[in-house]
Amino acid sequence: QVQLVESGGGVVQPGRSLRLSCGASGFTFSSYGMLWFRQAPGKGLEWVARIWYDASNAHYADSVKGRFTISRDNSKNTLYLKMNSLSAEDTAVYYCARALTGEATLADYWGQGTLVTVSS
Amino acid sequence: SSELTQDPAVSVALGQPVRITCQGASLRTYYATWYQQKPGQAPVLVIYGRNDRPSGIPDRFSGSSSGNTASLTITGAQAEDEADYYCSSRDTSGNHLVFGGGTKLTVL
Repeated sequence: QVQLVESGGGVVQPGRSLRLSCGASGFTFSSYGMLWFRQAPGKGLEWVARIWYDASNAHYADSVKGRFTISRDNSKNTLYLKMNSLSAEDTAVYYCARALTGEATLADYWGQGTLVTVSS
Repeated sequence: SSELTQDPAVSVALGQPVRITCQGASLRTYYATWYQQKPGQAPVLVIYGRNDRPSGIPDRFSGSSSGNTASLTITGAQAEDEADYYCSSRDTSGNHLVFGGGTKLTVL
């Protein structure tokens, strides 16, 4: 069965960096686009970034563009999100998800999420 | 601010039909996707495309669209359907994804 397991969350000081990982299993990872979403405490869902199956293209939400980088290692079945210049507004549960469509515009499987808290 | 607009809360009597709507300019071009999220859990895909359901989603869930409005309909709401429902789509540029603010469905 499809499994997505996020890791790397925790408490980080404002201005610092953090890298999230998402280990995938139960499907051919290299054939699927992938996405990151986030959800601030008590708030709604927000799309963060998406990447094509072969990493040939990636798009970012305006709120993270220039600070976050999505990447993948298809040999390790792992998706990454490198987050720089973190601020309190980035505090959220971060979810990785598998894309149903080739252009990664919707997600059919989600991980359970990892909490990132930006605080001094 | 979200480019998709949803009613914050909707209630329905057990076994009755309920429609949750989502409005936005991009819905004239792109289909809406609907996710269900229960407290403390990850979102679950319930409707995508014209009106497609992933395996395991009951057929009481359906989707439709007209103009700039997409709708999620539950025919015969069950207690287990009580959850937050989010619509999502591409924005008008086509490159970004956007969400509605979510609708909290209460089953009475």
